[in-house]
Amino acid sequence: SQQGEEDPQALSIQEGENATMNCSYKTSINNLQWYRQNSGRGLVHLILIRSNEREKHSGRLRVTLDTSKKSSSLLITASRAADTASYFCATVIMNRDDKIIFGKGTRLHILP
Amino acid sequence: DAGITQSPRHKVTETGTPVTLRCHQTENHRYMYWYRQDPGHGLRLIHYSYGVKDTDKGEVSDGYSVSRSKTEDFLLTLESATSSQTSVYFCAISGLAGGGEQYFGPGTRLTVT
Repeated sequence: SQQGEEDPQALSIQEGENATMNCSYKTSINNLQWYRQNSGRGLVHLILIRSNEREKHSGRLRVTLDTSKKSSSLLITASRAADTASYFCATVIMNRDDKIIFGKGTRLHILP
Repeated sequence: DAGITQSPRHKVTETGTPVTLRCHQTENHRYMYWYRQDPGHGLRLIHYSYGVKDTDKGEVSDGYSVSRSKTEDFLLTLESATSSQTSVYFCAISGLAGGGEQYFGPGTRLTVT
């Protein structure tokens, strides 16, 4: 079974709008990370939020973490065409720091 | 970008042949990972290494073996390739205690006919 599940699977929005993606997970985590993947490329790390943190910002990115609900959200504000990509959440399970489990991703398409 | 390369970038091989993919890093990172990415499955961990000659299995390790004789190189071998191993393979590295951010290579597209 999947540790991290992103929602929605696909999202299309107009340029300039905000995009929100969600991630739910099943077991207690050490931290949760978000990655971006452009078509045909490797994943790029965006942001890491630890289990004792509730919110984190990086530029136009805002990540929240609710450990009671076992969920996280990634908000991209003022979207741009270059934000078109797949976004993955990844969880590091508590006491298993040696590996990360990735979700299946959300495909984000920014419409001009 | 982190100094991580994969070779070959593309390969077509026949069922039953052995295949070795190479991941090379210049960052002196301790942790190295091999993933496969398939439509509908996301990214799945095959094997990982936490030091020279120290490796462990991931969730989809059957049919794959790995070796790490030097810090900078992590090899993934398909002992006898099958069509179900047609995939895109990514190598990743991490310098922190495993749970930190990972840096990914550009990927290898493998087709088994």
